[in-house]
Amino acid sequence: AQRVTQPEKLLSVFKGAPVELKCNYSYSGSPELFWYVQYSRQRLQLLLRHISRESIKGFTADLNKGETSFHLKKPFAQEEDSAMYYCALAASGGYNKLIFGAGTRLAVHP
Amino acid sequence: GAGVSQSPSNKVTEKGKDVELRCDPISGHTALYWYRQRLGQGLEFLIYFQGNSAPDKSGLPSDRFSAERTGESVSTLTIQRTQQEDSAVYLCASSLNTGAGELFFGEGSRLTVL
Repeated sequence: AQRVTQPEKLLSVFKGAPVELKCNYSYSGSPELFWYVQYSRQRLQLLLRHISRESIKGFTADLNKGETSFHLKKPFAQEEDSAMYYCALAASGGYNKLIFGAGTRLAVHP
Repeated sequence: GAGVSQSPSNKVTEKGKDVELRCDPISGHTALYWYRQRLGQGLEFLIYFQGNSAPDKSGLPSDRFSAERTGESVSTLTIQRTQQEDSAVYLCASSLNTGAGELFFGEGSRLTVL
């Protein structure tokens, strides 16, 4: 069965500190992984996807198949990064049924 | 419209009543999804539409839940004989195609069953 685990409900850091939001997945096939973000009073939106290998708003995420992880990282957190972050997994080669983790709330303090 | 639109934004109902939740996807998006988010939990997949057909209904929690889509546009999620455990935010999303594309979410419909 496909499963996404985000072990931290809340991650609290100070501005300028490094951030790592953890995501582990369980899937027997070749996964496609995503990070979605929900800022206060905004809709859930795509932040980045592993196939693009891009950096968005300073965030990066590397797929580690050996550790079945897709952790989200940023070297220097900003207050505007405070939001709810969801890791999501889709089975490759099919329709885009996304399985979401429970989410991690990132709070960046001044 | 500019984005995915859902109505009502809030619904309070009594246990045993039926409710209908509506989703207007982004024009031209062929794929439409319903998710449920209970308090403090992640998004739970309910059902997916490709055009007007639903190839995957695996997430519907019981036969009290049903959904339809017409005109490859508007979708309605119906919950019959609501129970307190149905209380949640129901999110709709649409995407341009069924590949690994980006899902665009609505603001959700918050359902409270008393």
